[in-house]
Amino acid sequence: DAGVIQSPRHEVTEMGQEVTLRCKPISGHDYLFWYRQTMMRGLELLIYFNNNVPIDDSGMPEDRFSAKMPNASFSTLKIQPSEPRDSAVYFCASSTFYEQYFGPGTRLTVT
Amino acid sequence: GENVEQHPSTLSVQEGDSAVIKCTYSDSASNYFPWYKQELGKRPQLIIDIRSNVGEKKDQRIAVTLNKTAKHFSLHITETQPEDSAVYFCAARQDNNDMRFGAGTRLTVKP
Repeated sequence: DAGVIQSPRHEVTEMGQEVTLRCKPISGHDYLFWYRQTMMRGLELLIYFNNNVPIDDSGMPEDRFSAKMPNASFSTLKIQPSEPRDSAVYFCASSTFYEQYFGPGTRLTVT
Repeated sequence: GENVEQHPSTLSVQEGDSAVIKCTYSDSASNYFPWYKQELGKRPQLIIDIRSNVGEKKDQRIAVTLNKTAKHFSLHITETQPEDSAVYFCAARQDNNDMRFGAGTRLTVKP
């Protein structure tokens, strides 16, 4: 298995633009998580899905952030409009019930 | 919700010495406690985990202990090597698979 796949690996955009991050979980994993990592706030859980259904989105910072999981092999995290304070590394992770495996992350820079 | 505290934030040891990182959690319903290692610019990698029905688990030079009564768990690394240098994160998870991470410990192993 290729592991969790994320794209793009790096994204540089201007403030106000829409950003879409993509994730393909490990086949057979029924949980998918989106995290944000910054020096100031550490590793934050944004939202997670079980069987494609959002279970807890209380970590999503504000309405500018949205996430979808249209099927078991694909999820997106969208930021619209983006702001400089959204600059961070965004990780997707997937799991069965226990071990959670992270993707390589997307480094987002908003100028 | 769950709150995970991790100490120390930085730890420096001499090669060959042992390193201990400690975490406490707030929610007695948490039942799964993984540890992740994150090297600079890389994704968090699961290195060991423990479930609530076990008090200790060992894998070669690393071990984890869990005290459910006191709600704390620890990572022990023996015979440290320079390649153990990284940031280590503890986490606690509840039945709903909501995972909360500690703030991380930057471990430096001096040759």
